Amino acid sequence: NAGVTQTPKFQVLKTGQSMTLQCAQDMNHNSMYWYRQDPGMGLRLIYYSASEGTTDKGEVPNGYNVSRLNKREFSLRLESAAPSQTSVYFCASRPKDSIQETQYFGPGTRLLVL
Amino acid sequence: RKEVEQDPGPFNVPEGATVAFNCTYSNSASQSFFWYRQDCRKEPKLLMSVYSSGNEDGRFTAQLNRASQYISLLIRDSKLSDSATYLCVVNLGRIYNQGGKLIFGQGTELSVKP
Repeated sequence: NAGVTQTPKFQVLKTGQSMTLQCAQDMNHNSMYWYRQDPGMGLRLIYYSASEGTTDKGEVPNGYNVSRLNKREFSLRLESAAPSQTSVYFCASRPKDSIQETQYFGPGTRLLVL
Repeated sequence: RKEVEQDPGPFNVPEGATVAFNCTYSNSASQSFFWYRQDCRKEPKLLMSVYSSGNEDGRFTAQLNRASQYISLLIRDSKLSDSATYLCVVNLGRIYNQGGKLIFGQGTELSVKP
């Protein structure tokens, strides 16, 4: 099992450009999540998908959109990138609807918006 | 007040030292608790869950005090390889979505020196 994979690993964008961050998991997990991590801020939830076909906003959804393409894949799109979106983005998945089950993270995408 | 608060550190300790990390959470409805470890520029990984009765995994001991809304992690006989950032994580249960919502502390940085 590859676990949770993310592409790309690094990206540099200019303000106003768009891009899609890809995430896939091969663990047959139901729930998937997108976080951003900034210095001094900890991990903050952008969007999540509790199951295939559903998506919901997290703590910081503005400027982002998501698509749960199928059970395996959950993408994050920046329509018009801004310097404030410079961050490290982590995708995570969770095995089932259980409070005790924790999340498994991908390796992250480092995004710089100039 | 932040939902999950940790001392950001850094904690600089010699090899073999015992070090303790503390964490407080604000939502009394929180249902499960975890410690994650994050190495520099890598994804967070689950270190251990925290149970009401306290639990131990080798050199690591986690404690939970629900009355005080306080979680701790004790590392005994610290190794160079323990150098990382330790994240306190709280699951709010089913309040926000199916399967709960994880809230991450900012993390406490540990540096173990020879």
